[in-house]
Amino acid sequence: DQQVKQNSPSLSVQEGRISILNCDYTNSMFDYFLWYKKYPAEGPTFLISISSIKDKNEDGRFTVFLNKSAKHLSLHIVPSQPGDSAVYFCAASVRNQGGKLIFGQGTELSVKP
Amino acid sequence: GAVVSQHPSRVICKSGTSVKIECRSLDFQATTMFWYRQFPKKSLMLMATSNEGSKATYEQGVEKDKFLINHASLTLSTLTVTSAHPEDSSFYICSVLDRGHETQYFGPGTRLLVL
Repeated sequence: DQQVKQNSPSLSVQEGRISILNCDYTNSMFDYFLWYKKYPAEGPTFLISISSIKDKNEDGRFTVFLNKSAKHLSLHIVPSQPGDSAVYFCAASVRNQGGKLIFGQGTELSVKP
Repeated sequence: GAVVSQHPSRVICKSGTSVKIECRSLDFQATTMFWYRQFPKKSLMLMATSNEGSKATYEQGVEKDKFLINHASLTLSTLTVTSAHPEDSSFYICSVLDRGHETQYFGPGTRLLVL
C-alpha cells in the first residue's frame, strides 16, 4: 500500500522555466510534509516543508503548495536551473508519532540549459 | 540543519562476512536516528528506528538478527549487516531526527556490495 505517491518518474524542463513536481497521499492522518532533493550516491538533502495548517510555504525559488481536500502537494521551482537536476522525493509524517517519514517513489528532474 | 556523516562511504565484502556501518551526528545530539536502504531507481525504504539507550524498532519484514542496530550515544548509531549475502547489496542511508524542526537530516549513504 503506497501511502505517498509520485506518479511522474521523470520531468524535463527548460532552464529559466517553472518546474512543478507533484505528490499525492492517501493517509488523512498525515499532517506534515517535506520535500528532499537527492543526487546519485548521496543522501537526501532537506529542501522545504509544510504543516497541514498551511496551504503554502515559500523559501526562495522553492514553494510548496498543499491541498488537503485533494490530498495533494506540489513543489514549484522557479526559475529552474541546471543545478536543480536531481531526484526529488516528497515525504509525509504524522506529528508526535516518532518522526517516521513515508517517502514517495521520487521524480527525476532534468533542467536543460 | 544537522550535519550527519557515515563511514565507510563504500564497502565490498565477501558473502558470509559481517559489515558495520557507522552513522554520526556531528553537530546535533540525536536521541532518534533512522536507517534506510535504497535500491536502484527506487524509493527510500525505512528499515528501523534507532533510539539512544534502547532497542531499535524494526519495520515489518526487516530481520532484526540480520541487521543489528546499536545506538549507544547521542552522536553514534551503527548498523551491522551480519552474514551478508549478495541480495544485501544496496545503498544504506541513516538520518537523525531534529524534533524541534520535525525534520530528518540524512547522511551521505554507504554503498555495500556483497560478492
